[in-house]
Amino acid sequence: QLQLQESGPGLVKPSETLSLTCSVSGGSISSTRYYWGWIRQPPGKGLEWIGTIHYSGSTYYNPSLKSRVTMSVDTSKNQFSLKVSSVTAADRAVYYCARRLPDYDYYAMDVWGQGTTVTVSS
Amino acid sequence: DIQMTQSPSTLSASVGDRVTITCRASQSISSYLNWYQQKPGKAPKLLIYGASSLQSGVPSRFSGSGSGTDFTLTISSLQPEDLATYYCQQSYSTPRYTFGQGTKLEIK
Repeated sequence: QLQLQESGPGLVKPSETLSLTCSVSGGSISSTRYYWGWIRQPPGKGLEWIGTIHYSGSTYYNPSLKSRVTMSVDTSKNQFSLKVSSVTAADRAVYYCARRLPDYDYYAMDVWGQGTTVTVSS
Repeated sequence: DIQMTQSPSTLSASVGDRVTITCRASQSISSYLNWYQQKPGKAPKLLIYGASSLQSGVPSRFSGSGSGTDFTLTISSLQPEDLATYYCQQSYSTPRYTFGQGTKLEIK
């Protein structure tokens, strides 16, 4: 059974870079069918799509975050990663990684990690 | 950007009730509409994809309908474990797969 697990520092200083990793188990990140995504949720608020990445390295980023976001994939470790630069208090959120299904399944996200909380504070 | 608007924002219903949540897109999204359930402190869970396809393992009391701009999520007989916030999401417009603001479902 496919499982995703986020990891990374829970506390990041303002203006620094947030770095998170999603480890995939029970399946290969190198499947051509799937993209892998990041979604975040500020405290008490709704969900915001950050972006997606394919194992080939192809990426799609939310335009509102594009200038600060970088995603990468490490097939040897079956992991993918997220970096958000120049963080502010507005980047405080629970960050989720998820698997995105193909077009014929309407690009839904069917498997999610449990989420990791990131606080921005000096 | 495609805006997604859910209604109501909060809903209170009794066990056994039929519950309907609506989601409206600011432009046509065909059937690229997915529904998620998020229980308190947990990650979202996929319920419905492609507007009306039930995700494997999801109880059959959940159903979805609609196409174009107007969509509904229906729970045919509300159960106590359905206490959650429900989100619609459009996956028509890459790369910004926007979510609705959520509908918080409370059990009376």
